[in-house]
Amino acid sequence: GQSLEQPSEVTAVEGAIVQMNCTYQTSGFYGLSWYQQHDGGAPTFLSYNALDGLEETGRFSSFLSRSDSYGYLLLQELQMKDSASYFCAGNGPGYSSASKIIFGSGTRLSIRP
Amino acid sequence: EAQVTQNPRYLITVTGKKLTVTCSQNMNHEYMSWYRQDPGLGLRQIYYSMNVEVTDKGDVPEGYKVSRKEKRNFPLILESPSPNQTSLYFCASSSTSAGEQYFGPGTRLTVT
Repeated sequence: GQSLEQPSEVTAVEGAIVQMNCTYQTSGFYGLSWYQQHDGGAPTFLSYNALDGLEETGRFSSFLSRSDSYGYLLLQELQMKDSASYFCAGNGPGYSSASKIIFGSGTRLSIRP
Repeated sequence: EAQVTQNPRYLITVTGKKLTVTCSQNMNHEYMSWYRQDPGLGLRQIYYSMNVEVTDKGDVPEGYKVSRKEKRNFPLILESPSPNQTSLYFCASSSTSAGEQYFGPGTRLTVT
């Protein structure tokens, strides 16, 4: 079935900027969400893109291009507490499955001092 | 406090013994969902519910049942658990299927 692809691991330096990508093979997802999950914890919501373009919430920004089947989460001014796994999630695919939610397998972000 | 609660948090059981994991939310959300999380596979949706008495299959519904008799509750039922259902389970709720979902704390299930 449809899946959202994410790199499994990313390493970045404290204070820097990191971009984590989410791609899918064909279009058809209605909106893209991003979640953060610390080890042993539950996912927590970060951002949602209903339409193409950039959404900004503090240090976090998320981008969606449905024509390119691509989205990303951008984290600025990285802090050690940002070390976690990050998941993208899409509604769909297709109109008949618009209420279904598919998660990517997640990107584990490690921050080094 | 707005929250999603799940019980139990931890459960060890044996193959074939029916079990229910409860999920309750106090935010009057219409959309509720169950996920399982396995290493390297992210979260996979088991079942979801758009509203009372409206449920539908997610990506991995086999071996699970759900019901939505009241808006606040969405129990997950394993009629005959098997070892491949050993996993971490999350319940989530939201006002619609799009956008922010609130997750419960998770239930770690082991089936021997």
